[in-house]
Amino acid sequence: DGGITQSPKYLFRKEGQNVTLSCEQNLNHDAMYWYRQDPGQGLRLIYYSQIVNDFQKGDIAEGYSVSREKKESFPLTVTSAQKNPTAFYLCASSIGGGSEKLFFGSGTQLSVL
Amino acid sequence: KNQVEQSPQSLIILEGKNCTLQCNYTVSPFSNLRWYKQDTGRGPVSLTIMTFSENTKSNGRYTATLDADTKQSSLHITASQLSDSASYICVVSRRRGTYKYIFGTGTRLKVLA
Repeated sequence: DGGITQSPKYLFRKEGQNVTLSCEQNLNHDAMYWYRQDPGQGLRLIYYSQIVNDFQKGDIAEGYSVSREKKESFPLTVTSAQKNPTAFYLCASSIGGGSEKLFFGSGTQLSVL
Repeated sequence: KNQVEQSPQSLIILEGKNCTLQCNYTVSPFSNLRWYKQDTGRGPVSLTIMTFSENTKSNGRYTATLDADTKQSSLHITASQLSDSASYICVVSRRRGTYKYIFGTGTRLKVLA
């Protein structure tokens, strides 16, 4: 089955700890995205990548970091600098960097202990 | 400012009834508009896409409309089912610009037996 796999489904972070959310796709899509979803708000863009070894900051990149060493993988690290990390994180991909349909993973719920 | 507004914020209907969700946008340059369905704790899934020249498009019990002049779209759900309970997100794409996808905050629909 082609799609996007996010792991883990639930993640807990202790104060001062960095945590990494995994995102893997087998759709052969060039573009990948990380969004943050908070209750009552629209999805907000954290980072996006249109090609391997290149990525750009979105609206709320502070406290987050990413890498794109392989086309199929786009992990997101939530660093200790992100003071309010509790949210639902969604990874998405699209064929290119235009306005094509977004395919989403099933999300990771991050909570602070 | 590029914005997408959805109404109502939430909606409760009885199984078998119809409902209509609204999406107003101020996004330019406009490329397309998509409606996504998001089940609780899951990633959004695309229901339908509307381009500038399309007025109406159906996908089973879902019918989307687009009025490009007034910059309004609607999603009509016919003969609702319990499985329709979800959040419905309107996403408008831009033809160019750094941020291609503008998300609405969604309408949370609850279908009761």
